[in-house]
Amino acid sequence: GAVVSQHPSWVICKSGTSVKIECRSLDFQATTMFWYRQFPKQSLMLMATSNEGSKATYEQGVEKDKFLINHASLTLSTLTVTSAHPEDSSFYICSARTSGSSYEQYFGPGTRLTVT
Amino acid sequence: KQEVTQIPAALSVPEGENLVLNCSFTDSAIYNLQWFRQDPGKGLTSLLLIQSSQREQTSGRLNASLDKSSGRSTLYIAASQPGDSATYLCAVPGGGSEKLVFGKGTKLTVNP
Repeated sequence: GAVVSQHPSWVICKSGTSVKIECRSLDFQATTMFWYRQFPKQSLMLMATSNEGSKATYEQGVEKDKFLINHASLTLSTLTVTSAHPEDSSFYICSARTSGSSYEQYFGPGTRLTVT
Repeated sequence: KQEVTQIPAALSVPEGENLVLNCSFTDSAIYNLQWFRQDPGKGLTSLLLIQSSQREQTSGRLNASLDKSSGRSTLYIAASQPGDSATYLCAVPGGGSEKLVFGKGTKLTVNP
């Protein structure tokens, strides 16, 4: 149980275009989803936290107009990188957690974004 | 601000050896700590989650301990195998919230 999927697993796009990444909880309802970014040989950095039906909360330094997050249902959150640039190339990972006291997060397999 | 440090950054051992990975955190007011494994180019696999009321958790050849008061956790891997080669990350909630703060990881290589 507690499986999280991401789509696509990798994507290459041209500078200036937008890319949407999906994160789905397959066998549980995710009240909260998180989006992380990981640069090569670096650890994960939280970008934003999204709760179903409400606006995402962005971490300091993350541009909310550039990284659009939508958490429209209890099983789906999307991250759209708008007007992508080469410096946005990174590994994007989502996680999801259920309601309850354990606060355990379940992670997706990640999406490799390359902007040329 | 919560900060997580993992030592060593990299570790190379022969197959069969027992090993310990270390994780320290600055704010001891946590409600859990998680250890993850990450293979190259892949997402995270949760290995163990220790609640703040627990001192250790075991799963197969893995044993994780937690000492909240000293801000430390260790991950013990018994009888290491080449398949254990990966980067191991520890993470704790930051600032009393559910947001996770990650260490930079320990890259483990187990040589056959």
